Amino acid sequence: TQLLEQSPQFLSIQEGENLTVYCNSSSVFSSLQWYRQEPGEGPVLLVTVVTGGEVKKLKRLTFQFGDARKDSSLHITAAQPGDTGLYLCAGSTGNQFYFGTGTSLTVIP
Amino acid sequence: SQTIHQWPATLVQPVGSPLSLECTVEGTSNPNLYWYRQAAGRGLQLLFYSVGIGQISSEVPQNLSASRPQDRQFILSSKKLLLSDSGFYLCACEGWGNMDYGYTFGSGTRLTVV
Repeated sequence: TQLLEQSPQFLSIQEGENLTVYCNSSSVFSSLQWYRQEPGEGPVLLVTVVTGGEVKKLKRLTFQFGDARKDSSLHITAAQPGDTGLYLCAGSTGNQFYFGTGTSLTVIP
Repeated sequence: SQTIHQWPATLVQPVGSPLSLECTVEGTSNPNLYWYRQAAGRGLQLLFYSVGIGQISSEVPQNLSASRPQDRQFILSSKKLLLSDSGFYLCACEGWGNMDYGYTFGSGTRLTVV
């Protein structure tokens, strides 16, 4: 079983603060995705990273894939209430995606 | 990019009753399709995946089954529901979305077994 651990599990911050969410594994992945899920909805793909050390930016969100392709981080700058949701990472072995344990983020206005 | 239609959105069923959840895909052909179950606010557990018509792989032994009668149709079923079958069920399609390559999910079905 490919286990992806996310930390922290829960995060509550004030609007305007910065935060980082981590996704760690002992396994190597060919690619890694980040999703955001709102209550009662399906997850929505934010980004896919495929190269060790790769950094992708999506407005205020910065995603990084670890050099060894075993871990990833998501950094949000100046968080807004609209960023509230469950953030999920998912690693691909080429045959299947394995989802992380999730980070529930609440941004307080 | 592909679109996933999943229904119903919510379902309350008694223990021992049958179940049928349907998922259809638009915007792609011969997709890899997946059924996941999600506990409240947590990660996703893969239940079944299919790489083509009639081809089903089961990841977790359980009270559920899946079928793929058509290329873009994926069905999750049970003959007799258990209380432990309650959860949030998500259908997903693998491919190019609006932003990148990964999964496109349906809006989910909240199943409560009473």
